[in-house]
Amino acid sequence: GQNIDQPTEMTATEGAIVQINCTYQTSGFNGLFWYQQHAGEAPTFLSYNVLDGLEEKGRFSSFLSRSKGYSYLLLKELQMKDSASYLCAVMDSNYQLIWGAGTKLIIKP
Amino acid sequence: GAVVSQHPSRVICKSGTSVKIECRSLDFQATTMFWYRQFPKQSLMLMATSNEGSKATYEQGVEKDKFLINHASLTLSTLTVTSAHPEDSSFYICSARGGRAHETQYFGPGTRLLVL
Repeated sequence: GQNIDQPTEMTATEGAIVQINCTYQTSGFNGLFWYQQHAGEAPTFLSYNVLDGLEEKGRFSSFLSRSKGYSYLLLKELQMKDSASYLCAVMDSNYQLIWGAGTKLIIKP
Repeated sequence: GAVVSQHPSRVICKSGTSVKIECRSLDFQATTMFWYRQFPKQSLMLMATSNEGSKATYEQGVEKDKFLINHASLTLSTLTVTSAHPEDSSFYICSARGGRAHETQYFGPGTRLLVL
């Protein structure tokens, strides 16, 4: 079966760095997406990785290792507004998105 | 990023009535649109995938006669919840993708449905 694993909840301090991991087992791979979802709102697109390595976009970076079936989202200089759920999603061989359950990130002052 | 709108943002209806939700891609042609449902504190659940001009593909366990999907143009898809019941109360979110299968899905802001 297809499976996406990410931690249910993480807590970090304002101004610090946090890494949210995602491991996956899917039938085929056509890229991995990270989305941010604030409570009561729809997800917003953060990043897309299809090749191994690190993609940096401002305070957010996303890393992919296809051989390990592993990705992480790195958030630097955390701000209170970063408190949200972070969703990892993998596009399989049929170009269907397989969604993780999301990681709720709590930022404390 | 691309812009997807959804209307209405919030709707309250009586049990047994039907509710239509519209999803529009504002600045790109959405060959494929997706409809999701999300219950409180749960993950997104894909309900159906629709390609412009063809019938929607429903996920297992989703009743196609209850959740009618129409994707008549490259910028508009509608979801109609027929004979709504309180258990249909949820957050319904659409997303849209361009012509290439690997493209990013962009989400609408969601519609919160409450059935009394």
